Amino acid sequence: SQQGEEDPQALSIQEGENATMNCSYKTSINNLQWYRQNSGRGLVHLILIRSNEREKHSGRLRVTLDTSKKSSSLLITASRAADTASYFCATDDLNNDMRFGAGTRLTVKP
Amino acid sequence: EAQVTQNPRYLITVTGKKLTVTCSQNMNHEYMSWYRQDPGLGLRQIYYSMNVEVTDKGDVPEGYKVSRKEKRNFPLILESPSPNQTSLYFCASSPGQGLGPQYFGPGTRLLVL
Repeated sequence: SQQGEEDPQALSIQEGENATMNCSYKTSINNLQWYRQNSGRGLVHLILIRSNEREKHSGRLRVTLDTSKKSSSLLITASRAADTASYFCATDDLNNDMRFGAGTRLTVKP
Repeated sequence: EAQVTQNPRYLITVTGKKLTVTCSQNMNHEYMSWYRQDPGLGLRQIYYSMNVEVTDKGDVPEGYKVSRKEKRNFPLILESPSPNQTSLYFCASSPGQGLGPQYFGPGTRLLVL
C-alpha cells in the first residue's frame, strides 16, 4: 500500500522558475526521502530528511518536513530543462518499511 | 563503480513460462529489495531481504519468489508468469533496512503475453 501521496500529479513550468512538489503521508516515520526518475530509468536518491529535522538543502534543492501535518515539500529553484523527470517521496516508517508515493511528473520547458 | 545491475533489461514472454530476473550489487549491502512500478501506482515492494538467507514479503508478493544465497545477488523468479505481471521491475539495495537511501538498478521491462 502507498504511504506517500505527491501533489500535484503533474507540473509544467518554464526554465528558470521554481518548482514545488508536496508529499503527504499517513503514519509516523523515521525519515522521508525524495527520489528522481528519468523516464523508464532507475530512481536516483536526492535527499533524506530525518523526522527530527525541519529543513534541508542540497544545491538547488530544498526539502521541508512538517511531522505534525505529516507532510513534506521539495522545492527546486531556478529549474532547468534537465530537471524534467518524475519525483517521488518515500517514507521510512517506524517498522523500517519504505513506501513510495505515485510521483509528480515535472516538465521544465526551455 | 558502485552499482546495482539487473538482467535482462527487456523481456517478452508468454503466460506460464518460468523466468528469472537477476539482480546484483557490488556495494556489500545487506538489504536488497524488489519493486514493481505501474502507471499511477508508484513503486510497490514485492519482496525484500535483510541479509543472506533472510527474505520477507513486501506488499505485492503473489506470483513471485526470491532467494538470497549470496550477499550480492537477489534474483526474482516468476514461476508461472501471467499478463498482470507485465510491469517495470526495479531491484534496489542499501546498507541496511532503514539505513539511508536505496540504490536502484536500471529496471527490467517485462511483457507477459
